[in-house]
Amino acid sequence: RKEVEQDPGPFNVPEGATVAFNCTYSNSASQSFFWYRQDCRKEPKLLMSVYSSGNEDGRFTAQLNRASQYISLLIRDSKLSDSATYLCVVKGPADSWGKLQFGAGTQVVVTP
Amino acid sequence: DAGVTQSPTHLIKTRGQQVTLRCSPKSGHDTVSWYQQALGQGPQFIFQYYEEEERQRGNFPDRFSGHQFPNYSSELNVNALLLGDSALYLCASSVTGEDQPQHFGDGTRLSIL
Repeated sequence: RKEVEQDPGPFNVPEGATVAFNCTYSNSASQSFFWYRQDCRKEPKLLMSVYSSGNEDGRFTAQLNRASQYISLLIRDSKLSDSATYLCVVKGPADSWGKLQFGAGTQVVVTP
Repeated sequence: DAGVTQSPTHLIKTRGQQVTLRCSPKSGHDTVSWYQQALGQGPQFIFQYYEEEERQRGNFPDRFSGHQFPNYSSELNVNALLLGDSALYLCASSVTGEDQPQHFGDGTRLSIL
């Protein structure tokens, strides 16, 4: 079983619509969670950290469910520029020196 | 403020050859991690360097080795290249002891013929 699992998609979303997707992780002791965005053939870029209480950054909302070991990302009012692969990233206490576990990514395609 | 820089951007090698990839961390960062990203996959952790020593290692063979210099820059060396080593190699830097996200360089795209 992979340590971080994501639905690969693609999620085809009309411009202006809302899209949400989850990521599950296997290590219950994981402490830090992030969403990274990766455009085609580019490097991953931090989208947002995910906090226990959930957090919002503009049109993006991230949630953490420790009991069920999943995190989610919701994108409201989707823009064409939101088209990308979204990588779920987990860091656990055993990896407190910074090793990140990445999911394979969820592809989002926003259409006009 | 320069971010993480990697060189070269692209590289073509043949099987059996050796390659060295380079990374300069973001200013103020002292820890460098290397990742391999195959097509359609998420990045996989190779190893991490701090204070010129390998601090953690992922599930990669000994053909993969590295080094960190006193100025915190780092090299990734891969010996006896295999076709399966074709990937995007990403370097990420961070500040040790802080729970801050890592910042990635643009990567080196390595193709093995």
